Amino acid sequence: KAGVTQTPRYLIKTRGQQVTLSCSPISGHRSVSWYQQTPGQGLQFLFEYFSETQRNKGNFPGRFSGRQFSNSRSEMNVSTLELGDSALYLCASSPEGFGYTFGSGTRLTVV
Amino acid sequence: QKEVEQDPGPLSVPEGAIVSLNCTYSNSAFQYFMWYRQYSRKGPELLMYTYSSGNKEDGRFTAQVDKSSKYISLFIRDSQPSDSATYLCAMKGGGTSYGKLTFGQGTILTVHP
Repeated sequence: KAGVTQTPRYLIKTRGQQVTLSCSPISGHRSVSWYQQTPGQGLQFLFEYFSETQRNKGNFPGRFSGRQFSNSRSEMNVSTLELGDSALYLCASSPEGFGYTFGSGTRLTVV
Repeated sequence: QKEVEQDPGPLSVPEGAIVSLNCTYSNSAFQYFMWYRQYSRKGPELLMYTYSSGNKEDGRFTAQVDKSSKYISLFIRDSQPSDSATYLCAMKGGGTSYGKLTFGQGTILTVHP
């Protein structure tokens, strides 16, 4: 059974640009959550989607947005990138709200 | 004050030792408790989860939850070099806390041969 797939694995962007990250959940999992991981703040919750609807959102600015498609695949977008957005972005999927399986993440570096 | 406090270590033990990892929390709404293991350049891997006070055992791992003291622990018996990783406690509330896990800072564990 394939795990959670995140693409790309690594990304370098310039301040002010925008970026889109992709997550393919485990087949049959309808809940997809996104997290930001940094050395200083640890893992922080960004948002959760279920059946194309955002059900929950963390304390991040509006520059961070996401969406989920009918096949449960999800994308996360960050606009007007700042140096502080450099982080490992992790996606997790769950069959229904529990037992979250994480992907290997996308390492974003903003220069 | 963070909702979940975890000693970041680092913790270094000899192979075969019993390892004890701990987290305290302040939010009484937390109902589900998890331990994740994260290797370098990988995503967190779920080790244990529980939703009630008491002990839960799985092989060499035992998770312990004390809701009255707001304290959870993970014990690793007969530790192996392959257990060297960062261990993260995570907690989740019920109701509308969809997808939101609150993590501790992680404890870096090294098991040396």
